Amino acid sequence: AQSVTQLDSQVPVFEEAPVELRCNYSSSVSVYLFWYVQYPNQGLQLLLKYLSGSTLVKGINGFEAEFNKSQTSFHLRKPSVHISDTAEYFCAVSLWNTGNQFYFGTGTSLTVIP
Amino acid sequence: DGGITQSPKYLFRKEGQNVTLSCEQNLNHDAMYWYRQDPGQGLRLIYYSQIVNDFQKGDIAEGYSVSREKKESFPLTVTSAQKNPTAFYLCASTYAGQGWAEAFFGQGTRLTVV
Repeated sequence: AQSVTQLDSQVPVFEEAPVELRCNYSSSVSVYLFWYVQYPNQGLQLLLKYLSGSTLVKGINGFEAEFNKSQTSFHLRKPSVHISDTAEYFCAVSLWNTGNQFYFGTGTSLTVIP
Repeated sequence: DGGITQSPKYLFRKEGQNVTLSCEQNLNHDAMYWYRQDPGQGLRLIYYSQIVNDFQKGDIAEGYSVSREKKESFPLTVTSAQKNPTAFYLCASTYAGQGWAEAFFGQGTRLTVV
């Protein structure tokens, strides 16, 4: 069975400080990995994705994530956060063999403190 | 512009009434999904459809029904059998089949049952 675990439900961080949002997954087959962002009362917007190749992927708004196969992790990082980064962040996986099955984590609420 | 349109954004209904949420996409995507979002629980899959006239139950299908008569449309009916229907509902779509497939989301419908 597949599962996605986001270890922190809430992460407060001061403006201009770095942040890391953690994501671990379990799967018996190879996966694609995604991070989405959700602002209040809106849908989810894709931040970045890992499909293959370089394990360090860069996304929008200065975010990046690193795929670590041995640790089955896909942590999201940003070196300096802004107030506008305050939002809910979701990690998701889809399976190679059926590319349209998605599994989401429970989300991490990032609050940037001025 | 291509995208997914959910309507209405806010919906109020009396307890015991059925209600239908609309989801339309012009991305020419094969697969469409309905998710329910509750605070602290992330996204839970209600139903999904990979092709027209075919759909499968997700993890929490009880009390919901769907149809897929057209590729562009995937309406969700919340029936009176759904015990706790108040939630934020998200529709998504993606390409079907093998290979990478990121999900695109609508802006959501917030349903409140009084």
